[in-house]
Amino acid sequence: DTAVSQTPKYLVTQMGNDKSIKCEQNLGHDTMYWYKQDSKKFLKIMFSYNNKELIINETVPNRFSPKSPDKAHLNLHINSLELGDSAVYFCASSQDPPYSNQPQHFGDGTRLSIL
Amino acid sequence: EDKVVQSPLSLVVHEGDTVTLNCSYEVTNFRSLLWYKQEKKAPTFLFMLTSSGIEKKSGRLSSILDKKELFSILNITATQTGDSAVYLCAVGASGTYKYIFGTGTRLKVLA
Repeated sequence: DTAVSQTPKYLVTQMGNDKSIKCEQNLGHDTMYWYKQDSKKFLKIMFSYNNKELIINETVPNRFSPKSPDKAHLNLHINSLELGDSAVYFCASSQDPPYSNQPQHFGDGTRLSIL
Repeated sequence: EDKVVQSPLSLVVHEGDTVTLNCSYEVTNFRSLLWYKQEKKAPTFLFMLTSSGIEKKSGRLSSILDKKELFSILNITATQTGDSAVYLCAVGASGTYKYIFGTGTRLKVLA
């Protein structure tokens, strides 16, 4: 029943490793997002895809690479993890945001901790 | 540069108090303003506001938008400990997919 689901919920790994986070939504939305939330709870947009096409690519190190195999999935791969990557990563989805007034729906987040 | 500022950053009140949270914005081609409540996990949607002066209400929570002065308030009356959370404000601009979030207000309600 979960509308936006992310896996894993927790990820503890060492500096320098490569890891992926997966996101799936069953709401039929056409737009998906990745946000990074720091320890002060500030949500910063990283990427957005609309119908599998990249439409937002904020100033994010190129160690972060999103992939959208279809409009219901948006995965995030991170290479060469650094201490500063420790945060909670949220996936979200919405329907046609530039033209409709529909809110975003968020997943429960993936807490990434770099040792 | 577009920005969204929330105040206060944090607030501690006692059960039964009324609180007012503020969100001011400077966003080109404003389209909508959204309020979310975040407890331990996902931000959950509370309200979307697009027109000035029209109050949205849900139980003890209400919100209103002033597009002339570029701000919104979220009111919570008769607060309960379950209202303790971070309240996030986000603004969307016309023709873009981006929502800009404020830094949030951390509300703690004491029994």
